[in-house]
Amino acid sequence: QKEVEQDPGPLSVPEGAIVSLNCTYSNSAFQYFMWYRQYSRKGPELLMYTYSSGNKEDGRFTAQVDKSSKYISLFIRDSQPSDSATYLCAINTGGFKTIFGAGTRLFVKA
Amino acid sequence: GAGVSQSPRYKVAKRGQDVALRCDPISGHVSLFWYQQALGQGPEFLTYFQNEAQLDKSGLPSDRFFAERPEGSVSTLKIQRTQQEDSAVYLCASSFDRTRQPQHFGDGTRLSIL
Repeated sequence: QKEVEQDPGPLSVPEGAIVSLNCTYSNSAFQYFMWYRQYSRKGPELLMYTYSSGNKEDGRFTAQVDKSSKYISLFIRDSQPSDSATYLCAINTGGFKTIFGAGTRLFVKA
Repeated sequence: GAGVSQSPRYKVAKRGQDVALRCDPISGHVSLFWYQQALGQGPEFLTYFQNEAQLDKSGLPSDRFFAERPEGSVSTLKIQRTQQEDSAVYLCASSFDRTRQPQHFGDGTRLSIL
């Protein structure tokens, strides 16, 4: 079993839809939870970064962490074609090594 | 520059050749990471530097892989006697301090071994 599991998709939605992206993890020691967006042939770009359980909102993006279930989510409201990318969850215990999910490919159709 | 810069962007080498990949982190960033990203996968940790000290190299796949950051800024990842399985995108990331989060990534070097 991988330490971080993420459905690779692809996920295709119409413009304006609410998108839900999810990851599960196995190590209860994880403390830092990140979501990155990666466009084709570009490096990952940090979207959301949280240290604790609960919700964190930034514009159209909401990150949710449920440590009891070892489950993290990213919600995108009013999705746009420019949101079409691969979304990577990333988790860290506070040590040197960050573990990334495999990424979910998202397509937002105009 | 404002972001993490990597060079070259693309590198093609024949099997058995040595390659060197360069990373210029954000100025003043203490922490520097190298990752390997295979097609359709997330980045996988290779090694970590805090200033010039390599504190974790547990992710390096073999002793053919070597990384250095001699003056605590620019870093080089070297791969000796390249194999086809080394073909991947190599990403560099830096972060401001010793907490190591969040990490800011470069656009990577796409390495193809023929």
